[in-house]
Amino acid sequence: DGGITQSPKYLFRKEGQNVTLSCEQNLNHDAMYWYRQDPGQGLRLIYYSQIVNDFQKGDIAEGYSVSREKKESFPLTVTSAQKNPTAFYLCASGSTGTPYFGEGSWLTVV
Amino acid sequence: AQSVAQPEDQVNVAEGNPLTVKCTYSVSGNPYLFWYVQYPNRGLQFLLKYITGDNLVKGSYGFEAEFNKSQTSFHLKKPSALVSDSALYFCAVRDYTGGFKTIFGAGTRLFVKA
Repeated sequence: DGGITQSPKYLFRKEGQNVTLSCEQNLNHDAMYWYRQDPGQGLRLIYYSQIVNDFQKGDIAEGYSVSREKKESFPLTVTSAQKNPTAFYLCASGSTGTPYFGEGSWLTVV
Repeated sequence: AQSVAQPEDQVNVAEGNPLTVKCTYSVSGNPYLFWYVQYPNRGLQFLLKYITGDNLVKGSYGFEAEFNKSQTSFHLKKPSALVSDSALYFCAVRDYTGGFKTIFGAGTRLFVKA
């Protein structure tokens, strides 16, 4: 099936650990995005990528890192520098400017 | 810089009545505008978009939106609300002269009462 797959759905992180959220798409989309959603709030852009091997910071990139080595994949690493990482993370992709979303990943710090 | 505002945190409407969810935007060029819906613990589902052309855009599940350039607004509408429309709605904007950066509003929670 075509679509955007995020994994894992639920992830727990200990203080001081880096964790990586996976995002894979088989829609042949050029652009990919990562957003953060805090409970009851809107979406804030972390990083986006328009082509392979290129990405730009969004509004809240501090404490996060990404790579875009393949068109299909845009993993997000939440580093220990991100002091408040507990949130719902949403990945999206798009070709003609319309972002389509995956089902999201919950990250909780324990 | 791009920005989008959804002035209402919550909209309440009775089933069968028309609904409107408001959105205003600011971009440096011509906008791409989008509406999405989110159900609990799920990703966002695309409803409709405006790029150019007719100011009234029709989308999924009976929703439509009206683009008003002079008022920089893109309000979401539905003639007859259903209880199942109760969800969180997001407006988003992209300035197509500036790449693929897409910014979302804070969201509006819609409650449809039976």
